[in-house]
This record gives sequence, C-alpha cells and structure tokens, in this order.
Amino acid sequence: LAKTTQPISMDSYEGQEVNITCSHNNIATNDYITWYQQFPSQGPRFIIQGYKTKVTNEVASLFIPADRKSSTLSLPRVSLSDTAVYYCLVGDTAGGFKTIFGAGTRLFVKA
Amino acid sequence: GAGVSQSPRYKVAKRGQDVALRCDPISGHVSLFWYQQALGQGPEFLTYFQNEAQLDKSGLPSDRFFAERPEGSVSTLKIQRTQQEDSAVYLCASSLATSGGNQPQHFGDGTRLSIL
Repeated sequence: LAKTTQPISMDSYEGQEVNITCSHNNIATNDYITWYQQFPSQGPRFIIQGYKTKVTNEVASLFIPADRKSSTLSLPRVSLSDTAVYYCLVGDTAGGFKTIFGAGTRLFVKA
Repeated sequence: GAGVSQSPRYKVAKRGQDVALRCDPISGHVSLFWYQQALGQGPEFLTYFQNEAQLDKSGLPSDRFFAERPEGSVSTLKIQRTQQEDSAVYLCASSLATSGGNQPQHFGDGTRLSIL
C-alpha cells in the first residue's frame, strides 16, 4: 500500500497562497493522487484529484512532478473558512479497496 | 437529499450494549465504504461494499463489528457488546464507480458514538 507523508500542521494568513506538499515515494503506476478537506464535525470533502503534471479547479491546484513521488496542493488566497484538515491519498491498486488517509495536515488561517 | 446521509448523528450506549449505525448513500452509487475516526486522527478504513457484496472487510477491528448492505443501497454497521475503545466517529462514504482508492468518495457527516 502506498504511504503518504504530510506536515502535521501549517499556519497562514488570510489572502496568502498556501502550498501543502505530500510525499508518496511508493506510488504505483496506476495510482491517482486525491486530496480531501475536513472541517470539524463533518465528513471529508473531495477537493481535487490528479495523475501527473498540473490540475486546476475552482477550489485548488494540484502540482505533480514527473517522478510522481510527491504532490503539492495549492490553495490561492486563503480565507478563515479554509481552516481545516487536508488529507493526501494515493489510490491502492494492489487488488484491494482499502483507502488510507493518514493524519493529514491541519491548516490554521489567521486574520 | 443529494448527499450521503447517516443516522443517528449521535449515539450514546452503555458498555456491553449492541448498536446499529445507518448509512444512506447517494442514489446509484455502487461503492460504499465505512471508516472509523478517532479524535484527532484521520479516518481508518473498516470495510467496502460493491453493490450488496462485501468485498473487503480487512479493517474491521474484531468480530464484534459487522456490516451489511443487503439490497445494494442502504448499509448498516453493527457493533455488538460495545467497549469503550469503540467510541469514535463512524463515517460512511459512497462513490459512483467500482474501483477502490482512485475514485473520489462522497462522505456523510458521521455518527459520533460514545460508549459509557
């Protein structure tokens, strides 16, 4: 199973761009990289998914280098409401269906 | 509603009691996942259904935990003879397609279970 490593926590200020990097050295060829956001007392919410290079949607951008051993979630101009836990996941294609979340990155956005 | 619905939202039980937690996935979603989330931790996989078939139950912590999805839609997670260490938030997620970790999952807001 591909394991991910993320910073435990990050601080930022409103209006800044935030980049959260995730390491996944053992990513398999067919695995996608998926990011989720979780607020207190809510379930995780899908943010973005990618396989290689760059993916952008209305919420975030995801940068994946050619070797795919890491990925960076970029949140442009964060606001207080972006304070949450962000999880990086790598899909398991070893024949099972287990999804591994890890501890995530706690982002604190300050005024 | 359009999202994944879980009930009850909160459940308090005494140690030794049995509990049942319900998940209503998004209509038409083939895949259904159950997770357990302890305070301050990420969700931990419990089990996976593809329609009514339970294809992976490797994450169930003991034989006290049992899940079913008899008609391929609503699912129930049952915990027998509850213990204090079962206290956690139980999350349900569904996804449209059949593959595992590569498919974006839609989560409910969970059932917070407290065992006294």
